[in-house]
Amino acid sequence: EAQVTQNPRYLITVTGKKLTVTCSQNMNHEYMSWYRQDPGLGLRQIYYSMNVEVTDKGDVPEGYKVSRKEKRNFPLILESPSPNQTSLYFCASSLSWDGRDTQYFGPGTRLTVL
Amino acid sequence: DQQVKQNSPSLRVQEGRISILNCDYTNSMFDYFLWYKKYPAEGPTFLISISSIKDKNEDGRFTVFLNKSAKHLSLHIVPSQPGDSAVYFCAASVRETSGSRLTFGEGTQLTVNP
Repeated sequence: EAQVTQNPRYLITVTGKKLTVTCSQNMNHEYMSWYRQDPGLGLRQIYYSMNVEVTDKGDVPEGYKVSRKEKRNFPLILESPSPNQTSLYFCASSLSWDGRDTQYFGPGTRLTVL
Repeated sequence: DQQVKQNSPSLRVQEGRISILNCDYTNSMFDYFLWYKKYPAEGPTFLISISSIKDKNEDGRFTVFLNKSAKHLSLHIVPSQPGDSAVYFCAASVRETSGSRLTFGEGTQLTVNP
């Protein structure tokens, strides 16, 4: 089954404790992206990757890192989480970076930073 | 600066009636528009899209209208069904040298009453 998976689905952590949210897709997609969803703000792009070893900042990259060492994986790293990073996070992938390609989203990761 | 705005956080309609969800944008460079639907505890899924060179696209019960002069698009669902109850996100794409960027609106919670 074609899908985007994220782990963990739920995470409660404390300020400053490094964490990684994994994202994996099995559709051989080139383009992958991370979003955060906050009430009243919709989905905002954090980072995106057009292919292996090619990543770039989205609209809200501060406090986040990403890497794309393999085509299928695109982990999101929070080196020193803070309470303002409490949010619902979505990973997405699409065939290419063309905006016409449908983005397929993972089920989401709800992160709480205390 | 919110380039894509959905001014109605929520909408309630009766089963069988028409649902109209609205979206306004400010960036005249957007060349492709999409609607995504999101159920609780799931990631958004693609619903319907429209190119900026068209003014209407229809897919079954769903029709998207684009008014470029007013920088406005709308999603019509006819007839509405209880299973359509979800959050609907409007999104717009613009091609940049580093790839396409997708900008989402805040979302509208649609509730269809049986």
